Order: sequence, then structure tokens, then C-alpha cells
Amino acid sequence: AQSVSQHNHHVILSEAASLELGCNYSYGGTVNLFWYVQYPGQHLQLLLKYFSGDPLVKGIKGFEAEFIKSKFSFNLRKPSVQWSDTAEYFCAAGTYKYIFGTGTRLKVLA
Amino acid sequence: GAVVSQHPSRVICKSGTSVKIECRSLDFQATTMFWYRQFPKQSLMLMATSNEGSKATYEQGVEKDKFLINHASLTLSTLTVTSAHPEDSSFYICSARDRLSGNTIYFGEGSWLTVV
Repeated sequence: AQSVSQHNHHVILSEAASLELGCNYSYGGTVNLFWYVQYPGQHLQLLLKYFSGDPLVKGIKGFEAEFIKSKFSFNLRKPSVQWSDTAEYFCAAGTYKYIFGTGTRLKVLA
Repeated sequence: GAVVSQHPSRVICKSGTSVKIECRSLDFQATTMFWYRQFPKQSLMLMATSNEGSKATYEQGVEKDKFLINHASLTLSTLTVTSAHPEDSSFYICSARDRLSGNTIYFGEGSWLTVV
């Protein structure tokens, strides 16, 4: 069955700390991968996406993600977080239809 | 990026009535739109996939007679919650696939439904 797992449900970091959020997927065949962010009171916004090519994907706001096919992973990273990165982050995978992970709530302390 | 608009953003309805939520792709054509439901502090649950001009494909456990989906044009899909009950109260989000931008999915702002 298709699934997306985000193992970190809640993450608390201080400003300037480095961030890595895990995402693992179970999906047969070629898969498109996404990271979305939902700031408090706002709708989902696309951070970055991977369809093919370079497995290291650069997104907006300094985020990047690396697709590791052998590990079925697509982890999100940011070298130095800011207070404004406080939000919920969702990983999604699929081709025709997209399945979302359970989300990771990130809180950045000023 | 492309814009997907949902209306209404908030709606309150009485038990037993029906309510319609619209999802529009404003600056692109969306042959495929998706409807999700998000419970508080939980992830998005895919309810159904709708393709323009054809019947929606519902996920397992989603009642197709209760959640009517229509995708009559390339820019509009509607979700009608029929005979609403308080347990249908939730946050409903639509998304649309933009074929011209590599099949990227863009999300609407979501609609809060409260059934009283």
C-alpha cells in the first residue's frame, strides 16, 4: 500500500540551529515528491518538489531536500532556521494522486 | 505560483442540510483536482480525485453519496456535503494539478465547515 511516513511529529529548535525533517515513502515505481508548509492560520504552500534529475532539490526560503532512492527517503533540510519557520511541514508522494504524511510541527524559539 | 481559490472559506450549516464548496483554478487549467479533509492537528486525508468531465474516484471509506463531487469545467470543481451531520465538521481543502508546470499540485485556502 502507498504510504508516507514522517517520524518527527514535533520538533523544537532554537534560532540558527540546523533542521532535518525525515520523510519516507512506500510507493511502487516512479514517484513525485513534495514538501509543503502550513503556517499558522494559512493554507498549504509548496516548499519544493522532486520529479526527476538532480536528487538534491533547492526550494524556497533556504530549504532543500535530498531524494535517496535506496532509502525511499526525501528528507527536508535547512542549515539555519529562523523564528518565522515555525509551522507545520508535510511531505507528500505520488504520481497520479498524492498521499500526505502526518506532518511535523516545528517550533523555533527566538 | 498558480492560484487555487476556494469558496466559502467558512460556512456554518444546520444538521440535515447540504452545503457546497467551490474550488477554482484561477490562472491555469486543471484537468485533475483533489479533495482533502483535515481534522484538527492531523494530516490531510485524500477524499477523492476528480477529473474534468468524468466521475470522481473516491478513496476507500469515503461515502460517494454523501460527498458529491462535480468537475464540470477545467477550472471548477465542487464538493457538496449532503445531509450534513456534526461529525462532518472539518477543514476541507482542494488542490489542482497544473499540467503545464510539471504536474505540480497547488492548494486552495481551505474551507471550514461547521455543522450545528
